[in-house]
Amino acid sequence: NAGVTQTPKFRVLKTGQSMTLLCAQDMNHEYMYWYRQDPGMGLRLIHYSVGEGTTAKGEVPDGYNVSRLKKQNFLLGLESAAPSQTSVYFCASNMGDTTNYGYTFGSGTRLTVV
Amino acid sequence: DAKTTQPTSMDCAEGRAANLPCNHSTISGNEYVYWYRQIHSQGPQYIIHGLKNNETNEMASLIITEDRKSSTLILPHATLRDTAVYYCIAPPDDKIIFGKGTRLHILP
Repeated sequence: NAGVTQTPKFRVLKTGQSMTLLCAQDMNHEYMYWYRQDPGMGLRLIHYSVGEGTTAKGEVPDGYNVSRLKKQNFLLGLESAAPSQTSVYFCASNMGDTTNYGYTFGSGTRLTVV
Repeated sequence: DAKTTQPTSMDCAEGRAANLPCNHSTISGNEYVYWYRQIHSQGPQYIIHGLKNNETNEMASLIITEDRKSSTLILPHATLRDTAVYYCIAPPDDKIIFGKGTRLHILP
């Protein structure tokens, strides 16, 4: 039982390049979330999903796209990376009963856009 | 979204109880209070949550006032490994919005 796994752990991109961050969970959780955390700041919600095939916007969705084609995976895409997207990205999941269970977070993807 | 207010930072001596306060005066009747912590560079970790009653688990205790306008997270015997940012959150729905939290320093 690996919990929430994020791939890759580190990445350096050039401005304008695209990439996809993968979040995988093996806990059969319904809900999945993507957050970003800038240096010295709190976490901000980018997009989230309450079930396979569904996605919704969070606080800071611009410049990102997501897909939840399989229940266990939640992908975060950057179509044209910008230096402002340099951040640590965290994925989280929840079994779908947020009143009784907390979120489980991954260990993060550290992205630098130069 | 119920706004929560926490002190920016706190210090606590190692071995003593750490009491972290949180104000959530606009919380509605069905909104739970959650506590998470984030140790440097790691993903946030769920600690505890509650609605009305006080709660205790292996990590901490949560004391919620009768009017539910504030709560206190208690780490009974703080260790250096408890140094982290602690977030108090009262989400109205299925997504958690993080504030700035309280940076807790455990002093040796």
